[in-house]
Amino acid sequence: EAQLVESGGALVQPGGSLRLSCAASGFTFNSHTMNWVRQAPGKGLEWLSHISSSSNTIFDADSVKGRFTISRDNAKNLLFLQMDSLRVEDTAVYYCARGVRWFDYWGRGTLVTVSS
Amino acid sequence: EIVMTQSPATLSVSPGERATLSCRASQNINNDLVWYQQKPGQAPRLLIYRASTRAAGIPARFSGSGSGTDFTLTITSLESEDFAVYYCQQYNNWPPYTFGQGTKLEIK
Repeated sequence: EAQLVESGGALVQPGGSLRLSCAASGFTFNSHTMNWVRQAPGKGLEWLSHISSSSNTIFDADSVKGRFTISRDNAKNLLFLQMDSLRVEDTAVYYCARGVRWFDYWGRGTLVTVSS
Repeated sequence: EIVMTQSPATLSVSPGERATLSCRASQNINNDLVWYQQKPGQAPRLLIYRASTRAAGIPARFSGSGSGTDFTLTITSLESEDFAVYYCQQYNNWPPYTFGQGTKLEIK
């Protein structure tokens, strides 16, 4: 069974940086496109970033373009999200999710809180 | 960007009855629509893709329909475990993938 486990969430001050990780297991990680999706407290889902299996194709939402960077290490079955210039409105649970067009496996999420 | 609008925001239904949730796209998305279920403190769970195809392991009481701009998720004979928040998502014109704001299905 595929499993995704996020880590790296923390309390950070506005303007700070954070790097999230997502550890994948139970499937052939290097064959699958991966994504980051977030959910602000009490709010809906927002897709953030997409990276193809070989990292050749990356797409980002306008809300994070230029501030967040998605990457992956297929040798270690890891997905990353480097988050810079964090804002209060970036406070959310961050999920990694597998798939193109639809997301069939999700992690349980990691909480990022941006506050002074 | 395609805007997805779900209605109603909250739906109150009794166990054993039928629930009908709606999702509307701001432009034609053919049948490029997904439904997810999310319970408190949990990640979303894929229910339906291509507007009407159930994902693996999803019970037959869940069905999706629609095409173009108007879509419906129907849950027949509601069970206690079905009370959750449901989201639709389009993949016709991406990036970005866009989600509806969700419908909370609560026990009446």
